Amino acid sequence: SQQGEEDPQALSIQEGENATMNCSYKTSINNLQWYRQNSGRGLVHLILIRSNEREKHSGRLRVTLDTSKKSSSLLITASRAADTASYFCATENNNDMRFGAGTRLTVKP
Amino acid sequence: EAQVTQNPRYLITVTGKKLTVTCSQNMNHEYMSWYRQDPGLGLRQIYYSMNVEVTDKGDVPEGYKVSRKEKRNFPLILESPSPNQTSLYFCASSPGTGGTQYFGPGTRLLVL
Repeated sequence: SQQGEEDPQALSIQEGENATMNCSYKTSINNLQWYRQNSGRGLVHLILIRSNEREKHSGRLRVTLDTSKKSSSLLITASRAADTASYFCATENNNDMRFGAGTRLTVKP
Repeated sequence: EAQVTQNPRYLITVTGKKLTVTCSQNMNHEYMSWYRQDPGLGLRQIYYSMNVEVTDKGDVPEGYKVSRKEKRNFPLILESPSPNQTSLYFCASSPGTGGTQYFGPGTRLLVL
């Protein structure tokens, strides 16, 4: 069964705008990771945030984690057409990795 | 180049015909895992391995077998494939449990 659930399922924005995706999960976690997938290809790791961290940055990416609400968000600033992809959150707890169904992001030029 | 490779990339087979999808990583990773991806369901973990000769069931292990005789290889075996195993399969590896996973390019399987 899935652990993470991304919201929204699909998001369409213009180039230059910010994109925010949310992930909610059900059980306790050791860490939460965000991955990106271009159509039909393998997932690429973006960022990992541990359960004792609240916020992390990597380039144009900003991830927050609220363990009290069991939720995380991924913010992509100044989006580009090349950011068009599906984005997945994954939770890890005692070797158990669970992925959500993903958010499909479309960035229009 | 550090990578995870899978073969074959595409496979069409018939119900009941045993098949193996190979997975190999050249990063000396201890942790390896298999996932299947289906529309609307995201990735679901089939099996994982924390080291040589150590394998454990994931979320959806039924109908699958794995082995880990060498650190670099983690083949996925479907002894008697059925149409509900039609899916996109990904192998992944990680230096250890809970860390960043490196994914292979995927194997698209169609069982008729």
